[in-house]
Amino acid sequence: AQSVAQPEDQVNVAEGNPLTVKCTYSVSGNPYLFWYVQYPNRGLQFLLKYITGDNLVKGSYGFEAEFNKSQTSFHLKKPSALVSDSALYFCAVRADTNAGKSTFGDGTTLTVKP
Amino acid sequence: DAGVIQSPRHEVTEMGQEVTLRCKPISGHDYLFWYRQTMMRGLELLIYFNNNVPIDDSGMPEDRFSAKMPNASFSTLKIQPSEPRDSAVYFCASSPRRVHEQFFGPGTRLTVL
Repeated sequence: AQSVAQPEDQVNVAEGNPLTVKCTYSVSGNPYLFWYVQYPNRGLQFLLKYITGDNLVKGSYGFEAEFNKSQTSFHLKKPSALVSDSALYFCAVRADTNAGKSTFGDGTTLTVKP
Repeated sequence: DAGVIQSPRHEVTEMGQEVTLRCKPISGHDYLFWYRQTMMRGLELLIYFNNNVPIDDSGMPEDRFSAKMPNASFSTLKIQPSEPRDSAVYFCASSPRRVHEQFFGPGTRLTVL
């Protein structure tokens, strides 16, 4: 079984401040972890992934995420938020033994205010 | 590459009518996924294919829904008969390998009156 929890429905930050969007997961086996972003009336876009190796993963648009095995977390971070980062963010997980099928979280709406 | 292509982008139909949604995955991708997104239920995986073969259809809500992938470049999701509760945005996504991220299409917004 695999599951993802995004504990915050909404995150609000001021432009220029650091942002964190939280994600915790549960899998049987080793996790493959992903973050996606969805802008209004668009499909999801891939941001970054953790498969193996370095726990700190860097992705598109200055985003990064840290894999923490002991806390089963994969929080998305950015040092300095932009208004254009405002969107819906999804965390997803797939067990390495589960071919193809990822489980997505419920999503977190990020609002960056000028 | 043009990315994942979905058609139509918008569909408005009346209850009881048949609806067919279409998807062209990215060339060379061997996984194809169909999702449904609603405010109430979030993003739900309906079915996915590997090399044109359906692997897991446990997310298909009921027998009114069916999906096919006759070849590597085309898939359909059919709802017959449609009901108002089927109103949602339906996404198709493809992936080149098991461990890779998924590439989503722009979605089809379905409204059933």
